[in-house]
Order: sequence, then C-alpha cells, then structure tokens
Amino acid sequence: DQQVKQNSPSLSVQEGRISILNCDYTNSMFDYFLWYKKYPAEGPTFLISISSIKDKNEDGRFTVFLNKSAKHLSLHIVPSQPGDSAVYFCAANTGTASKLTFGTGTRLQVTL
Amino acid sequence: DGGITQSPKYLFRKEGQNVTLSCEQNLNHDAMYWYRQDPGQGLRLIYYSQIVNDFQKGDIAEGYSVSREKKESFPLTVTSAQKNPTAFYLCASSIWGGETQYFGPGTRLLVL
Repeated sequence: DQQVKQNSPSLSVQEGRISILNCDYTNSMFDYFLWYKKYPAEGPTFLISISSIKDKNEDGRFTVFLNKSAKHLSLHIVPSQPGDSAVYFCAANTGTASKLTFGTGTRLQVTL
Repeated sequence: DGGITQSPKYLFRKEGQNVTLSCEQNLNHDAMYWYRQDPGQGLRLIYYSQIVNDFQKGDIAEGYSVSREKKESFPLTVTSAQKNPTAFYLCASSIWGGETQYFGPGTRLLVL
C-alpha cells in the first residue's frame, strides 16, 4: 500500500520557468513532510520540509505548500535552473524520524 | 567536515555469500537508518537504530542483519537469505527525535 504517492514519474520544464512537483499521501497520521533531491548514484540531499501546522514554507527558490484537507503537497521551484535536473522524492513521517515513508520520485529535467 | 560515509561505493557478491556494507557518521547523531532503492521505486526502510545496542526492523528486513556497537557506526550485512540483493543501499542518520534524516552517498551492490 503506497502511503506516499508521486503520480508523475517525470517532468520537463524550460529554464527560468516554474517547476511544480506534486505529492499525495493517504495516512492522516503524517505530520511532517520533506522533499529530497537526488542525483544518479548519489545519496538524497535534504531540500526543504514543512510541518503540518503550516501550509507554506519557503527557502530561496524553493517553496513547499501543504493542503492537509486534500492530503496533498507540492514543491515549487522558481526560477528553474539546469542544475535542478534530478529526481525529487517526497517523504513523510509522524513527527519523529524513525519511519520516513518515501514516494517513488519525480524526475525533473530543466531544459535550456 | 561532518558527514556520513559509506563504503565501498560498489560491491560485488557471489551466490551464497554474506557481504557487509559500512556506514559511519561523525555528526554525533543518535539515530541511524538503512534504506534500499530499486530502479523506479522510492526508498524502503530495512533497519533503523535510535540508540547504541538497539535496532528495529523496517519494512523489508528479511535477509538483512545489522549491529550498533558504536554511536558512529551502523554496518549492514546482506546475507545469503536475501534472494534479490542487487540494489542501491543508502545509510542515513538523524538527531534523536529529529524529523530530518541526512543521507550518505550510497553503495551499489551487484550479484556476480
């Protein structure tokens, strides 16, 4: 049972435009959400997170939005840059780091 | 420089052989984790440990074993009972009770 879903396996965006990556979850006990960025043959790098008490968190070009009623979160990257090309994983936990549940990832390609 | 190191980067296993993957961290983190990534899939939790001399099974622990004799080290043994060991293995760590996990560079295990 996939509790965290990333339904778009890939996304292509032009440089300078906005990239929007989506994530849905089914477990209402999740209260902390994270986005990781991963290059091939490397470990994931923590990007940004959001607690369930917030609906938005911003860090530079990256903004995460959380819609608890819809059990949906999204990562916005503005403006997109070629170096943003990577696989992005959404993850969720219940407030402690003991069990992070990951989505299957979305491959973002930023084109020139 | 604080961080998580994994060795080796590539590991080859013969049929019926046990192999051990190393994970060391100098972040003074209490908790450590092992994940497995297969192509097109998210990360799946194998084992985790929140304190020395204690560890818990994750979602896919069968065919694997771990030990946590030191805070800095959390080696993973892939036993001969693991019938499909070919994957990318990732080690992570976090502070006790922290929501965010930080990952090492990974080890790719291949079967000869």
